[in-house]
Amino acid sequence: SYVLTQPPSVSVAPGKTAKMTCGGNNIARKSVHWYQQKPGQAPVLVIYYDRDRPSGSPERFSGSKSGNTATLTISRVEAGDEADYYCQVWDSSSDHVVFGGGTKLTVL
Amino acid sequence: EVRLVESEGGLVQPGGSLRLSCAASGLTFSGYAMGWVRQAPGKGLEWVSGIGSIQYTTYYADSVKGRFTISRDNSKNTLYLQMNSLRADDTAMYYCATVKDWLINTYFDSWGQGTLVTVSS
Repeated sequence: SYVLTQPPSVSVAPGKTAKMTCGGNNIARKSVHWYQQKPGQAPVLVIYYDRDRPSGSPERFSGSKSGNTATLTISRVEAGDEADYYCQVWDSSSDHVVFGGGTKLTVL
Repeated sequence: EVRLVESEGGLVQPGGSLRLSCAASGLTFSGYAMGWVRQAPGKGLEWVSGIGSIQYTTYYADSVKGRFTISRDNSKNTLYLQMNSLRADDTAMYYCATVKDWLINTYFDSWGQGTLVTVSS
């Protein structure tokens, strides 16, 4: 089955840039979506199709992909960005949705 | 504004059954594929199941296939998840969500607040 790998944690100071990665075999051939989940809340879509932002998602959030890694970048990080972030793809070989294990973003 | 409201979960004994529902408003429900995603306490997100909007094609995670059944009633704008033969590792918060690009590049663009299901004796 397809596996997405995310680092368990990332720490960043306020005002700096946070980068969270999502690795997977041949991920370049898949569309990657990103969700933010704050404690006690439901997930919220922040990036879809690798780099598109839904309405309501701040411009500080951006997505990219290179080789076997997709990256969610948050510029000018704020305390309110502290949350868990999950990447997700559709695996057409198994007809399954796959989530990464999630990255906990800590704002120092 | 899209609103998804899951029914109350609860405590179920191992081997028992429970049906969750998700009432949708603020959207043309019949035009949306829908899905369920769960999250065990302190763990990450896990896809459970999805159902199409037209031909009602259904897909399941291997962990629930044969035990869970997803269905929908477009006349009631409601999504269901029938859960049978429940096990302790089914204990989780269950979220319903609207699905975009079902079976192509599936993703979830609106989520309910979730309902907690606890399987324990």
